[in-house]
Amino acid sequence: GQNIDQPTEMTATEGAIVQINCTYQTSGFNGLFWYQQHAGEAPTFLSYNVLDGLEEKGRFSSFLSRSKGYSYLLLKELQMKDSASYLCAVREGNDYKLSFGAGTTVTVRA
Amino acid sequence: DAGITQSPRHKVTETGTPVTLRCHQTENHRYMYWYRQDPGHGLRLIHYSYGVKDTDKGEVSDGYSVSRSKTEDFLLTLESATSSQTSVYFCAAASALEGAYEQYFGPGTRLTVT
Repeated sequence: GQNIDQPTEMTATEGAIVQINCTYQTSGFNGLFWYQQHAGEAPTFLSYNVLDGLEEKGRFSSFLSRSKGYSYLLLKELQMKDSASYLCAVREGNDYKLSFGAGTTVTVRA
Repeated sequence: DAGITQSPRHKVTETGTPVTLRCHQTENHRYMYWYRQDPGHGLRLIHYSYGVKDTDKGEVSDGYSVSRSKTEDFLLTLESATSSQTSVYFCAAASALEGAYEQYFGPGTRLTVT
């Protein structure tokens, strides 16, 4: 199984940058996903990393280091609508299922 | 819109009663999942399906059963509801095409067991 850790809460100012870290321990790593979940809504897919490095998608970027069991999600030019929970999830081996961290609640303040 | 619906969206039931939640998808996804989400625990997998009539247990399967008689429907049954099963339940679906894999989530069902 996996042990996935991410901070519980983070607060940042509108227009700033926030970095959400995720560490994991797993055998047979086969991909890391980030999801965004607004309060009362379903999670929605943000990014996917399977190889080391940075994946950029607009204001959001995700980084992976497989040797360190570490990923981060970088949110730039924060907007009020970015206030949400961000979930880190890991896929192991050839299983078609994910294990999720407990999520990081990001609050963006004016 | 990932084409995943859940019913009911809200339900209040009494301890000891059976409850069935339905997940319906229109995108012909092979894999389907039931999660529960509780504060401090994130999403925890209850059961999943990798095809019609093919299901397996997740990490929190006790007290739950599932059925998948056709590709588009995945049912979750609480055999005898308990207060500890008060939660928000999410269904998800996924395909694995050309190595890509992504889960799409339904809107959730808020279940309260009194």
